[in-house]
Formats: sequence, structure tokens, C-alpha cells
Amino acid sequence: QKEVEQNSGPLSVPEGAIASLNCTYSDRGSQSFFWYRQYSGKSPELIMFIYSNGDKEDGRFTAQLNKASQYVSLLIRDSQPSDSATYLCAANIAVQGGSEKLVFGKGTKLTVNP
Amino acid sequence: DVKVTQSSRYLVKRTGEKVFLECVQDMDHENMFWYRQDPGLGLRLIYFSYDVKMKEKGDIPEGYSVSREKKERFSLILESASTNQTSMYLCASSLAGEMGREQYFGPGTRLTVT
Repeated sequence: QKEVEQNSGPLSVPEGAIASLNCTYSDRGSQSFFWYRQYSGKSPELIMFIYSNGDKEDGRFTAQLNKASQYVSLLIRDSQPSDSATYLCAANIAVQGGSEKLVFGKGTKLTVNP
Repeated sequence: DVKVTQSSRYLVKRTGEKVFLECVQDMDHENMFWYRQDPGLGLRLIYFSYDVKMKEKGDIPEGYSVSREKKERFSLILESASTNQTSMYLCASSLAGEMGREQYFGPGTRLTVT
């Protein structure tokens, strides 16, 4: 069973700090990785995706990928109370017929304290 | 902007009823997915489709079926609803591609089976 693992948290950080969310994946064939944010009672919202080793920055968010270690992370700089949510990590898995699906981690709950 | 809509936000059905959940996307995406999300279990893939009239079983297809007669519409059917199918149901869509593509989620349907 191909899996994506995340620490369930809760992760608590003070406002203005850096929040670091981590994820590991089991399928070495995975090439695409995604971070979603999910507020309570809402559906997941795509924040970032990353395909290449290294860092990818978008505003206060930085995604990091290390394929050798099968490790993906999301850094949130200058954390705000509005960042409080559950963050889901996902990796693509190839399936028969050439199509693909995403495997999701169970999510890390982040709380940013004012 | 990608828009994925689901027919109902909240639904209450009785045990044994046949239940239809509809999902429509307006971005000409090839791939469509149905998930359920339960506390502590994360997102679990029920069925997906990568083309009209095509369907693939996900991780938990038992008790469900799907229909995709048009590219923009993907329906989830509970043939005989049971209380253990009480859950949040999320539809998603994505473009096809060589590498995994990001999925966009609808708002979700919270189904209660009594």
C-alpha cells in the first residue's frame, strides 16, 4: 500500500513564527507533490505543488522536496491566526491504464496563537 | 478559476434508500474523483474516472457505484444507504498529464444516514 505520512499534530506556533510541516511518502515513482489547506468544515484548497528537488517559494509559503529522502515539507513564514487549519500533503501514484491518482496524508493540524 | 460544484451541501437519508450525489466541473478536466473524509481516517478514494464512461475503483469502492455520461459530470451512487456511509463526500477534478496534476475540490456534501 503506497502511503503518505504526516505528523497529525496539533502543531502550535505563535503569531509571526515559522511553521514547519513535514511529510514522507513511500512510492519512489511519485513525481508530483501537493500541499492543501483545509479549514474546519470546508473542502481542501490547493496551496502549492512541487515537482523538482529543492525549494519553491510562493509568498509566505515555501515547499521543499528531497526525493532521495522521500521527504516533502511546507514552511509558513510570519504565521498568522488565519493560517490555523489542517494541512494535507499528497503525492501522485501511477495506476493501470496510464492514469494517476493522488494519495493523501491524514493531515497536520496547525494552530497559530495570537 | 476552476469551479467544481456538488448538488447538495447537506443531505439526510434513511437506511436502505438509494442516494445520488452529483458533481459538475466547468474546466474541461479529464479526471474526476470521489472521496469520503472521516475524522482520523483522512481522505479516502472511492472511485475515479479519467474519461467519459470510464471508471476505476479506488481504495474503498464497496457499497458505491459511479456514472460518468458526460465529461463535466460525475455521479456517486449509494445503492442502499447504510449508517456507516454517514460521512463528508468530496468531489475533485484535474487535468490529465504525464505528471500528476493538481486536483480541485468541490465544497463537499455532508451525508447523514439515519
